[in-house]
Amino acid sequence: QQQVKQSPQSLIVQKGGISIINCAYENTAFDYFPWYQQFPGKGPALLIAIRPDVSEKKEGRFTISFNKSAKQFSLHIMDSQPGDSATYFCAAQLNSGYALNFGKGTSLLVTP
Amino acid sequence: ETGVTQTPRHLVMGMTNKKSLKCEQHLGHNAMYWYKQSAKKPLELMFVYSLEERVENNSVPSRFSPECPNSSHLFLHLHTLQPEDSALYLCASSQAAGTGYEQYFGPGTRLTVT
Repeated sequence: QQQVKQSPQSLIVQKGGISIINCAYENTAFDYFPWYQQFPGKGPALLIAIRPDVSEKKEGRFTISFNKSAKQFSLHIMDSQPGDSATYFCAAQLNSGYALNFGKGTSLLVTP
Repeated sequence: ETGVTQTPRHLVMGMTNKKSLKCEQHLGHNAMYWYKQSAKKPLELMFVYSLEERVENNSVPSRFSPECPNSSHLFLHLHTLQPEDSALYLCASSQAAGTGYEQYFGPGTRLTVT
């Protein structure tokens, strides 16, 4: 059973546009929601993370929006750049767990 | 070396072979993880070690055998694998095992089982 559902599977955005990736979860015991970025040939790297007591977190061009009642969270990339082209994974972690439960990933392509 | 390193980067093995994957973290962390990344599937946690003690084994077949001799090194011993075990195997480390600790990933070992 997939614990975190991510959409879309792939996304093409023009340079300067906004990229939006959505994730949904069912388990209300999840307490930590990170986003990871992965370039080809590299392991995933933490981009930004949020706890459920906050509805939004912004770091530079990257923003997480969190809707606890809907059990959804999303990543917004403002002013998308070709260098942002990568695969993005959302994840969720239990408040007493070790595992990051990952979504299937979104392949983002930002065109010049 | 910095961060998390993994060797080899690529491995091709037959179903009857025995091989080992190696991971080393240079971050002074106390927790290490093995994940499996298959195409079109979410990353799957396989094993977690905290202070060299295995704290989680995520229903992984016995043909995968982890070893953590110290907090900096993690091995995954492989034997009699199946073609469906072909995947990218990622090692990660974190300051401690538990919620909210950032996991730092290595570049992975691309395993092909023939």
